[in-house]
Amino acid sequence: SQQGEEDPQALSIQEGENATMNCSYKTSINNLQWYRQNSGRGLVHLILIRSNEREKHSGRLRVTLDTSKKSSSLLITASRAADTASYFCATGGRGANNLFFGTGTRLTVIP
Amino acid sequence: SAVISQKPSRDICQRGTSLTIQCQVDSQVTMMFWYRQQPGQSLTLIATANQGSEATYESGFVIDKFPISRPNLTFSTLTVSNMSPEDSSIYLCSALQGSSTDTQYFGPGTRLTVL
Repeated sequence: SQQGEEDPQALSIQEGENATMNCSYKTSINNLQWYRQNSGRGLVHLILIRSNEREKHSGRLRVTLDTSKKSSSLLITASRAADTASYFCATGGRGANNLFFGTGTRLTVIP
Repeated sequence: SAVISQKPSRDICQRGTSLTIQCQVDSQVTMMFWYRQQPGQSLTLIATANQGSEATYESGFVIDKFPISRPNLTFSTLTVSNMSPEDSSIYLCSALQGSSTDTQYFGPGTRLTVL
Protein backbone atom coordinates (compact mmCIF):
# COMPACT_ATOMS: atom_id res chain seq x y z
CA SER A 1 0.00 0.00 0.00
CA GLN A 2 1.19 3.51 -0.70
CA GLN A 3 -0.72 4.99 2.17
CA GLY A 4 1.34 7.12 4.50
CA GLU A 5 1.33 7.15 8.24
CA GLU A 6 1.03 10.10 10.52
CA ASP A 7 1.93 10.59 14.10
CA PRO A 8 0.73 11.31 16.55
CA GLN A 9 -2.75 9.94 15.88
CA ALA A 10 -4.12 12.51 18.31
CA LEU A 11 -2.66 15.67 19.79
CA SER A 12 -4.13 17.95 22.42
CA ILE A 13 -2.54 21.33 23.18
CA GLN A 14 -3.35 24.64 24.80
CA GLU A 15 -4.23 27.64 22.69
CA GLY A 16 -1.09 29.58 21.79
CA GLU A 17 1.17 26.53 21.78
CA ASN A 18 2.71 25.08 18.64
CA ALA A 19 1.52 21.83 17.12
CA THR A 20 3.76 19.50 15.13
CA MET A 21 2.48 16.59 13.06
CA ASN A 22 4.64 14.12 11.19
CA CYS A 23 3.99 12.13 8.06
CA SER A 24 5.94 9.20 6.63
CA TYR A 25 5.41 7.64 3.23
CA LYS A 26 6.78 4.71 1.27
CA THR A 27 7.35 5.54 -2.40
CA SER A 28 8.95 8.25 -4.52
CA ILE A 29 6.75 11.31 -4.81
CA ASN A 30 6.12 14.32 -7.01
CA ASN A 31 4.71 16.37 -4.18
CA LEU A 32 3.21 16.18 -0.74
CA GLN A 33 0.09 18.07 0.26
CA TRP A 34 -1.43 18.78 3.65
CA TYR A 35 -5.17 19.05 4.19
CA ARG A 36 -7.44 19.95 7.08
CA GLN A 37 -10.81 18.35 7.72
CA ASN A 38 -13.30 19.74 10.21
CA SER A 39 -15.77 17.30 11.75
CA GLY A 40 -16.05 14.91 8.80
CA ARG A 41 -16.60 17.63 6.24
CA GLY A 42 -14.67 18.28 3.03
CA LEU A 43 -10.94 18.66 2.85
CA VAL A 44 -9.40 22.11 2.85
CA HIS A 45 -6.07 22.35 1.07
CA LEU A 46 -3.39 23.89 3.27
CA ILE A 47 -0.09 23.67 1.47
CA LEU A 48 1.75 21.79 -1.27
CA ILE A 49 5.46 21.08 -1.18
CA ARG A 50 7.22 19.67 -4.22
CA SER A 51 9.77 16.90 -4.08
CA ASN A 52 12.62 19.31 -4.85
CA GLU A 53 11.67 21.65 -2.00
CA ARG A 54 12.74 21.25 1.60
CA GLU A 55 10.67 23.80 3.45
CA LYS A 56 7.65 25.96 2.79
CA HIS A 57 5.72 28.55 4.79
CA SER A 58 2.17 29.81 4.61
CA GLY A 59 1.00 32.12 7.37
CA ARG A 60 1.23 30.15 10.64
CA LEU A 61 2.05 26.94 8.79
CA ARG A 62 5.51 25.56 8.18
CA VAL A 63 6.03 22.36 6.23
CA THR A 64 9.28 20.48 5.82
CA LEU A 65 10.06 17.61 3.49
CA ASP A 66 12.92 15.14 3.74
CA THR A 67 12.80 12.87 0.72
CA SER A 68 15.79 10.83 1.92
CA LYS A 69 13.80 9.84 5.00
CA LYS A 70 10.47 9.86 3.16
CA SER A 71 8.98 12.10 5.79
CA SER A 72 7.32 15.47 6.21
CA SER A 73 6.22 17.59 9.11
CA LEU A 74 3.55 20.24 9.54
CA LEU A 75 4.06 22.88 12.21
CA ILE A 76 1.20 25.14 13.23
CA THR A 77 2.45 28.04 15.32
CA ALA A 78 0.46 30.00 17.88
CA SER A 79 -2.45 27.58 17.67
CA ARG A 80 -6.06 28.72 17.98
CA ALA A 81 -9.21 26.89 18.99
CA ALA A 82 -10.33 27.14 15.36
CA ASP A 83 -7.36 24.95 14.36
CA THR A 84 -9.12 21.99 15.98
CA ALA A 85 -9.52 19.50 13.15
CA SER A 86 -8.05 16.40 11.56
CA TYR A 87 -4.94 16.92 9.47
CA PHE A 88 -3.96 14.63 6.62
CA CYS A 89 -0.87 14.41 4.50
CA ALA A 90 -1.28 13.15 0.96
CA THR A 91 1.38 12.19 -1.52
CA GLY A 92 1.30 12.49 -5.26
CA GLY A 93 3.29 9.56 -6.58
CA ARG A 94 5.43 9.53 -9.66
CA GLY A 95 3.37 8.30 -12.57
CA ALA A 96 0.12 8.73 -10.64
CA ASN A 97 -2.30 11.62 -10.68
CA ASN A 98 -4.31 10.65 -7.62
CA LEU A 99 -3.27 11.14 -4.02
CA PHE A 100 -2.43 8.63 -1.33
CA PHE A 101 -3.53 9.75 2.09
CA GLY A 102 -1.95 9.31 5.46
CA THR A 103 -3.84 8.07 8.47
CA GLY A 104 -4.41 11.56 9.86
CA THR A 105 -3.75 13.41 13.10
CA ARG A 106 -6.64 14.61 15.21
CA LEU A 107 -5.64 17.99 16.71
CA THR A 108 -7.54 19.50 19.61
CA VAL A 109 -6.69 23.03 20.69
CA ILE A 110 -8.01 23.85 24.12
CA PRO A 111 -9.04 27.50 24.64
CA SER B 1 -8.11 27.36 -7.69
CA ALA B 2 -11.13 25.18 -8.41
CA VAL B 3 -14.34 25.36 -6.40
CA ILE B 4 -16.14 22.04 -6.15
CA SER B 5 -19.71 21.43 -5.07
CA GLN B 6 -21.40 18.14 -4.30
CA LYS B 7 -25.03 17.13 -4.07
CA PRO B 8 -26.50 15.88 -1.85
CA SER B 9 -24.48 16.95 1.17
CA ARG B 10 -25.91 14.07 3.16
CA ASP B 11 -28.49 11.35 2.85
CA ILE B 12 -29.96 8.48 4.80
CA CYS B 13 -30.88 5.54 2.61
CA GLN B 14 -32.42 2.12 2.97
CA ARG B 15 -30.53 -1.06 2.37
CA GLY B 16 -30.75 -2.27 -1.24
CA THR B 17 -31.38 1.13 -2.79
CA SER B 18 -29.00 3.26 -4.87
CA LEU B 19 -27.84 6.85 -4.53
CA THR B 20 -26.26 9.07 -7.15
CA ILE B 21 -23.89 11.79 -5.98
CA GLN B 22 -23.17 14.75 -8.23
CA CYS B 23 -19.91 16.69 -8.38
CA GLN B 24 -19.65 20.04 -10.16
CA VAL B 25 -16.46 22.04 -10.67
CA ASP B 26 -16.54 25.75 -11.46
CA SER B 27 -13.86 25.46 -14.15
CA GLN B 28 -12.54 22.88 -16.57
CA VAL B 29 -10.23 20.37 -14.96
CA THR B 30 -7.98 17.71 -16.36
CA MET B 31 -8.86 14.96 -13.94
CA MET B 32 -11.56 14.11 -11.43
CA PHE B 33 -11.46 11.48 -8.72
CA TRP B 34 -13.82 9.86 -6.25
CA TYR B 35 -12.69 8.94 -2.74
CA ARG B 36 -14.37 7.17 0.15
CA GLN B 37 -13.77 7.92 3.80
CA GLN B 38 -15.18 5.33 6.16
CA PRO B 39 -16.00 6.41 9.72
CA GLY B 40 -12.87 7.41 11.59
CA GLN B 41 -10.64 6.44 8.69
CA SER B 42 -8.52 8.13 6.08
CA LEU B 43 -9.44 8.58 2.42
CA THR B 44 -9.29 5.74 -0.09
CA LEU B 45 -9.44 6.27 -3.83
CA ILE B 46 -12.41 4.58 -5.50
CA ALA B 47 -11.74 5.53 -9.11
CA THR B 48 -10.56 8.10 -11.58
CA ALA B 49 -13.43 9.57 -13.57
CA ASN B 50 -12.39 9.74 -17.23
CA GLN B 51 -14.10 12.20 -19.50
CA GLY B 52 -15.98 10.41 -22.24
CA SER B 53 -14.83 6.92 -21.28
CA GLU B 54 -15.14 4.33 -18.55
CA ALA B 55 -13.73 5.17 -15.15
CA THR B 56 -10.54 3.55 -13.90
CA TYR B 57 -11.23 1.67 -10.67
CA GLU B 58 -8.86 0.87 -7.84
CA SER B 59 -8.45 -2.59 -6.44
CA GLY B 60 -11.47 -3.56 -4.40
CA PHE B 61 -13.91 -1.30 -6.23
CA VAL B 62 -16.00 -2.40 -9.23
CA ILE B 63 -18.12 -0.66 -11.79
CA ASP B 64 -21.28 -2.59 -10.94
CA LYS B 65 -21.17 -1.31 -7.38
CA PHE B 66 -19.87 2.21 -8.07
CA PRO B 67 -20.80 3.28 -11.60
CA ILE B 68 -19.25 6.63 -12.50
CA SER B 69 -19.99 9.07 -15.27
CA ARG B 70 -18.06 12.09 -16.50
CA PRO B 71 -19.83 13.55 -19.51
CA ASN B 72 -17.70 16.72 -19.67
CA LEU B 73 -14.71 18.46 -18.10
CA THR B 74 -16.60 19.96 -15.16
CA PHE B 75 -19.11 17.33 -13.99
CA SER B 76 -19.11 13.79 -12.67
CA THR B 77 -21.46 11.46 -10.85
CA LEU B 78 -20.87 8.50 -8.57
CA THR B 79 -23.63 6.00 -7.90
CA VAL B 80 -23.51 3.74 -4.86
CA SER B 81 -25.58 0.74 -5.90
CA ASN B 82 -27.46 -1.86 -3.89
CA MET B 83 -26.36 -0.23 -0.67
CA SER B 84 -25.62 -1.98 2.59
CA PRO B 85 -24.72 -0.49 5.99
CA GLU B 86 -21.05 -1.07 5.15
CA ASP B 87 -21.37 1.63 2.48
CA SER B 88 -22.00 4.27 5.15
CA SER B 89 -19.16 6.71 4.53
CA ILE B 90 -18.28 10.16 3.35
CA TYR B 91 -17.83 10.25 -0.41
CA LEU B 92 -15.64 13.02 -1.78
CA CYS B 93 -14.85 14.10 -5.28
CA SER B 94 -11.68 15.91 -6.15
CA ALA B 95 -10.27 17.67 -9.18
CA LEU B 96 -6.89 18.35 -10.66
CA GLN B 97 -6.57 21.35 -12.93
CA GLY B 98 -3.09 20.82 -14.24
CA SER B 99 -0.58 18.05 -13.87
CA SER B 100 0.02 15.63 -11.04
CA THR B 101 2.42 18.12 -9.52
CA ASP B 102 -0.38 20.60 -8.89
CA THR B 103 -2.83 21.10 -6.07
CA GLN B 104 -5.76 18.73 -5.89
CA TYR B 105 -9.00 20.31 -4.66
CA PHE B 106 -11.79 18.55 -2.86
CA GLY B 107 -15.52 18.95 -2.66
CA PRO B 108 -17.35 19.25 0.67
CA GLY B 109 -18.25 15.58 0.67
CA THR B 110 -21.48 13.60 0.81
CA ARG B 111 -22.21 11.89 4.13
CA LEU B 112 -24.11 8.69 3.42
CA THR B 113 -25.83 6.61 6.08
CA VAL B 114 -27.34 3.29 5.09
CA LEU B 115 -29.87 1.74 7.44
